[in-house]
Amino acid sequence: QQPVQSPQAVILREGEDAVINCSSSKALYSVHWYRQKHGEAPVFLMILLKGGEQKGHDKISASFNEKKQQSSLYLTASQLSYSGTYFCGTESAHRDDKIIFGKGTRLHILP
Amino acid sequence: DGGITQSPKYLFRKEGQNVTLSCEQNLNHDAMYWYRQDPGQGLRLIYYSQIVNDFQKGDIAEGYSVSREKKESFPLTVTSAQKNPTAFYLCASSRELQETQYFGPGTRLLVL
Repeated sequence: QQPVQSPQAVILREGEDAVINCSSSKALYSVHWYRQKHGEAPVFLMILLKGGEQKGHDKISASFNEKKQQSSLYLTASQLSYSGTYFCGTESAHRDDKIIFGKGTRLHILP
Repeated sequence: DGGITQSPKYLFRKEGQNVTLSCEQNLNHDAMYWYRQDPGQGLRLIYYSQIVNDFQKGDIAEGYSVSREKKESFPLTVTSAQKNPTAFYLCASSRELQETQYFGPGTRLLVL
């Protein structure tokens, strides 16, 4: 089943923070986060594995709560370059299938 | 440099014509995928291949065909049966089926 992302879209001013959520109805082994800029391919940001870990990458970080079957991506002090569509991809806890992507969250940063 | 290449960047199709999109990877990945993306929409899986000489239909396989004769290559043919082929097509690969996918630059297909 496809994970559900929220919100569908968000508009921020530069410097503001954003949180993007990804929820699954199935038990998960991992969550993958990607960012896609307009007209370009999605670029892999990070993977979070079962174990409730949290990762960071400059001012972009993420958490994974396997009990709640959800992950959140945090963008702190957003920059114009953060604009794009963010996708989460989830891997089943059974590790027997491909990653399934959510529909994406469009993020637009205003100067 | 390891990576995934797709060609051409732009492709024009006439009504009733089949066209083939190329996808090549030199990452030594076993799994490869084709996605279709419409404006402002998410990624929809067309076909995927876990290993050479094997492939599976995704969510929107009708009107498309693929082959996987070599590990490095996974071409997608958009047949005349696909009535609305205008979209951005993305190819991806991963080491194994469950692992992180890496995307090529995409091919934009337009119908004349």
